[in-house]
Amino acid sequence: GAVVSQHPSRVICKSGTSVKIECRSLDFQATTMFWYRQFPKQSLMLMATSNEGSKATYEQGVEKDKFLINHASLTLSTLTVTSAHPEDSSFYICSARDRAGSADSPLHFGNGTRLTVT
Amino acid sequence: SQKIEQNSEALNIQEGKTATLTCNYTNYSPAYLQWYRQDPGRGPVFLLLIRENEKEKRKERLKVTFDTTLKQSLFHITASQPADSATYLCALKTDSWGKLQFGAGTQVVVTP
Repeated sequence: GAVVSQHPSRVICKSGTSVKIECRSLDFQATTMFWYRQFPKQSLMLMATSNEGSKATYEQGVEKDKFLINHASLTLSTLTVTSAHPEDSSFYICSARDRAGSADSPLHFGNGTRLTVT
Repeated sequence: SQKIEQNSEALNIQEGKTATLTCNYTNYSPAYLQWYRQDPGRGPVFLLLIRENEKEKRKERLKVTFDTTLKQSLFHITASQPADSATYLCALKTDSWGKLQFGAGTQVVVTP
């Protein structure tokens, strides 16, 4: 089946530093990847849509200069949390849709990154 | 955007019984609705998709219904097993690009 690999699974960083999270589709190509964050007992909140070869589209209220997204290839998207603060601590999850499918195809999710900012 | 409501209280059920979860939405009926399973500390895994013109969809012990009049989808796990214990999320298509909006999920706990 379609596998999405997300790294790191956990990261602890100090306030003010930047953290990069990688999302790779291992056995399929994805022109579109989605980045979510999830707080305990809450739904996944879409942060941005990452499109290969073009700028990401951010949801309302998400700071694009703080959450930098790069979709360098059909199998890799990265999310960089810049100048992280404790309130950025959360569970970040990426997902990808197989370019061979349609817009109705299911999303394949990575296993998430638990970010803790001290 | 839609307001999606899933029962926030955990559903505790005995092994072998049928678990029924509810997903209600408030605005327009989406072209389709999807159900995912999420285990603690993991990403969601796709289970089923049901389109607006479909009343019911089945996959093994899972059954999903979609009532656009009630603006509701029901998710059933028949002959439940402890391995079915997880959080189940419903997700609605929100645009032509297939962007999804998720509910907060309902935790299911199946006890032997």
